[in-house]
Amino acid sequence: GENVEQHPSTLSVQEGDSAVIKCTYSDSASNYFPWYKQELGKRPQLIIDIRSNVGEKKDQRIAVTLNKTAKHFSLHITETQPEDSAVYFCRNTGNQFYFGTGTSLTVIP
Amino acid sequence: DGGITQSPKYLFRKEGQNVTLSCEQNLNHDAMYWYRQDPGQGLRLIYYSQIVNDFQKGDIAEGYSVSREKKESFPLTVTSAQKNPTAFYLCATVSPSGNYGYTFGSGTRLTVV
Repeated sequence: GENVEQHPSTLSVQEGDSAVIKCTYSDSASNYFPWYKQELGKRPQLIIDIRSNVGEKKDQRIAVTLNKTAKHFSLHITETQPEDSAVYFCRNTGNQFYFGTGTSLTVIP
Repeated sequence: DGGITQSPKYLFRKEGQNVTLSCEQNLNHDAMYWYRQDPGQGLRLIYYSQIVNDFQKGDIAEGYSVSREKKESFPLTVTSAQKNPTAFYLCATVSPSGNYGYTFGSGTRLTVV
């Protein structure tokens, strides 16, 4: 299948710093790129998404950037807070839907 | 639960026993998915159904079975052939409106006792 590679698998940042998570995809047909946040024991929740005709989208402290040439998209969280601690997943679309393997983000107060 | 109801929330299975996880939706979505999540790991696709009376295997379908007799329901049976079923199971639907957005159920945590 068409995999999505996600890095890093774990990330620790000091409160107030920025966090960046990157996903690389291979399916050229992908045209929609969502990011999900999953808190411990809960279901994943969509936090931001971007379409292939847009290079960047921002929603308060979170943003997603897309580089279609290089086939990667990234989640950026600025001014991180302890409540941002969670596992974050990317996902591609195309002929199949595949999730990245997840990034466990810890924000240290 | 955002239109998707998974039950039960917790389920215990004895060795050699089949168990069925329920997933019901009132979103009128055609596509439904089952994922398995192991501790510290990502979401792995078990089965998916894009229309009533049709379903396809995902990456880890062995030891599982599904049915899609109604649009609203997509139950997952974990059979005795699944040797390591302890995991968190998530059901999801996909919006038909073109943005492919997922809506997840709240999950079922299955434990073998």
